[in-house]
Amino acid sequence: DVQLLESGGGLVQPGGSLRLSCAASGFTFSSYAMSWVRQTPGKGLEWVSAISDSGGTTYYADSVKGRFTISRDNSKNTLYVQMNSLRAEDTAVYYCAKDRKIWGVWGQGTTVTVS
Amino acid sequence: EIVMTQSPATLSVSPGERATLSCRASQSVSSNLAWYQQKPGQAPRLLIHGASTRATGVPARFSGSGSGTEFTLTISSLESEDFAVYYCQQYNIWPPGTFGQGTKVEIK
Repeated sequence: DVQLLESGGGLVQPGGSLRLSCAASGFTFSSYAMSWVRQTPGKGLEWVSAISDSGGTTYYADSVKGRFTISRDNSKNTLYVQMNSLRAEDTAVYYCAKDRKIWGVWGQGTTVTVS
Repeated sequence: EIVMTQSPATLSVSPGERATLSCRASQSVSSNLAWYQQKPGQAPRLLIHGASTRATGVPARFSGSGSGTEFTLTISSLESEDFAVYYCQQYNIWPPGTFGQGTKVEIK
């Protein structure tokens, strides 16, 4: 079965940092771009960041550019996002998702609360 | 950034009836549009991509149509498991891939 499992969410103060991880299984992780998508009650679903299959190219939403860093370790089949300078508006459920533009596989999500 | 607008916000439908959901883009997205279904406490599920291509395993009662700026998701005969929130998402201009605000399909 294709699976994505996020971890690392929690409560953090404004200005703080958090690193989320996403463990992938059931597919050839190194062959696919990966993304982070977040969901808030107020703004709904928002694409956050994406990374190419090799990790050589990264993309960011304007709202997180300069604060978040996406990365991957293909030897560990794991996707990461380092979130710095967190703001209240970053409070959301964060999902990792397979592929860059259309997301057919999602994790169960991990909740980040900035307060 | 392309703005996606969905209507209605809430659709009340009886089981067995047809549901028609609309999505409008602020500029043309060609056929680069996807639909997702989300149930409470779950991640979104891809239903349709390319405006009209059903994702693997999606029942035939779900169909998508449209191109350019106007799109429709039709559920031909609603079943109990179809009551959920539905989102459209454009990926023609990427990044970012922008979502609509969602349409909640509720039991009438």
